[in-house]
Amino acid sequence: KAGVTQTPRYLIKTRGQQVTLSCSPISGHRSVSWYQQTPGQGLQFLFEYFSETQRNKGNFPGRFSGRQFSNSRSEMNVSTLELGDSALYLCASRMGPKETQYFGPGTRLLVL
Amino acid sequence: DQQVKQNSPSLSVQEGRISILNCDYTNSMFDYFLWYKKYPAEGPTFLISISSIKDKNEDGRFTVFLNKSAKHLSLHIVPSQPGDSAVYFCAAEFNKFYFGSGTKLNVKP
Repeated sequence: KAGVTQTPRYLIKTRGQQVTLSCSPISGHRSVSWYQQTPGQGLQFLFEYFSETQRNKGNFPGRFSGRQFSNSRSEMNVSTLELGDSALYLCASRMGPKETQYFGPGTRLLVL
Repeated sequence: DQQVKQNSPSLSVQEGRISILNCDYTNSMFDYFLWYKKYPAEGPTFLISISSIKDKNEDGRFTVFLNKSAKHLSLHIVPSQPGDSAVYFCAAEFNKFYFGSGTKLNVKP
């Protein structure tokens, strides 16, 4: 089975721009979660989608949004980028609640 | 609110010896715990998990111990190998996952 894939792998944007990141989960997995990792920090939970519905949300501003499509693929959007949004954004998928999450390689976002 | 804490940012161990990574949590509602390993420029890789109804789970060289009364989780790696050098994250779940800040393990040949 193919693993979790994320595109693009690297991205450079400037302040004020917006960005969309994509995640394709493992086949059969209906849950997709997004995390932000910054230097010295653990993984900060952004949100989780299950069967196209947002199941949980972390403590991030409304500039961070996401969605999930009927094929379980997910996108995350960040509007009005700030320098502090520079981070590794990780996507993880699992079959459902209380199942193990499997991570993709991440998208490294640099905001200049 | 840091509900899952890894108080040791780094750990250095000699090859062949035991590595013990620790994790503390505050929320007694957590019912599922996991350990992940992460290499630079890669996503975390799942290592081992444990349900709150157990106190030990073993998989090859990796053993996870759960002490619910102390709200403490530990990962034992025996014997440690240089390829184990990575950052290790513990995670706990109640509705969503909470991750610790990671411990960087260095296994010296």
